[in-house]
Amino acid sequence: EAAVTQSPRNKVAVTGGKVTLSCNQTNNHNNMYWYRQDTGHGLRLIHYSYGAGSTEKGDIPDGYKASRPSQENFSLILELATPSQTSVYFCASGGQAPLFGEGTRLSVL
Amino acid sequence: AQSVTQPDARVTVSEGASLQLRCKYSYFGTPYLFWYVQYPRQGLQLLLKYYPGDPVVQGVNGFEAEFSKSNSSFHLRKASVHWSDWAVYFCAVSMISGSFNKLTFGAGTRLAVCP
Repeated sequence: EAAVTQSPRNKVAVTGGKVTLSCNQTNNHNNMYWYRQDTGHGLRLIHYSYGAGSTEKGDIPDGYKASRPSQENFSLILELATPSQTSVYFCASGGQAPLFGEGTRLSVL
Repeated sequence: AQSVTQPDARVTVSEGASLQLRCKYSYFGTPYLFWYVQYPRQGLQLLLKYYPGDPVVQGVNGFEAEFSKSNSSFHLRKASVHWSDWAVYFCAVSMISGSFNKLTFGAGTRLAVCP
């Protein structure tokens, strides 16, 4: 069964700290995405990837980096976390109708 | 640039009543349109998708949506709502280039179902 798995599911970080959110997909999809979800904004695209080794900027990339070391794994990295990055983050994989993970709830204090 | 507007932040209906959730899109050309549902503490699940063709598309759990080019709309409907439909519903428009799909989401409509 197609699946997108995110870890951790919940994370509390301190301002200025480094945070890494991980995503794994078993669907053999080339495309993977990172979105954040905030009330009143829906989901907004942060970074995406066409395949292993590729990362591209989405609509709101500032303050975030991404890494795609393999077909299965796509990470989102906050080098210096800020309170404005408190949000729910979703990873997705796929082509015309992406599959979504269950989300990571990040609080930056 | 593509955009999606869901004018109703929250909708409350009685169980068994009919439902319409509104979605207006802005897109240059022929859009691909989607409705996703998010149940509490879960990720987004695809309800239905529209690719150019029949304007009425059927989805899971009795949902359907109708595309209107003249109104730039893609409203979601259900004839009889069940309590398990309590969720947040997102409309999205997509720019598809080859196999890559950049989805732009609306802000979502939170559906509450009363007994």
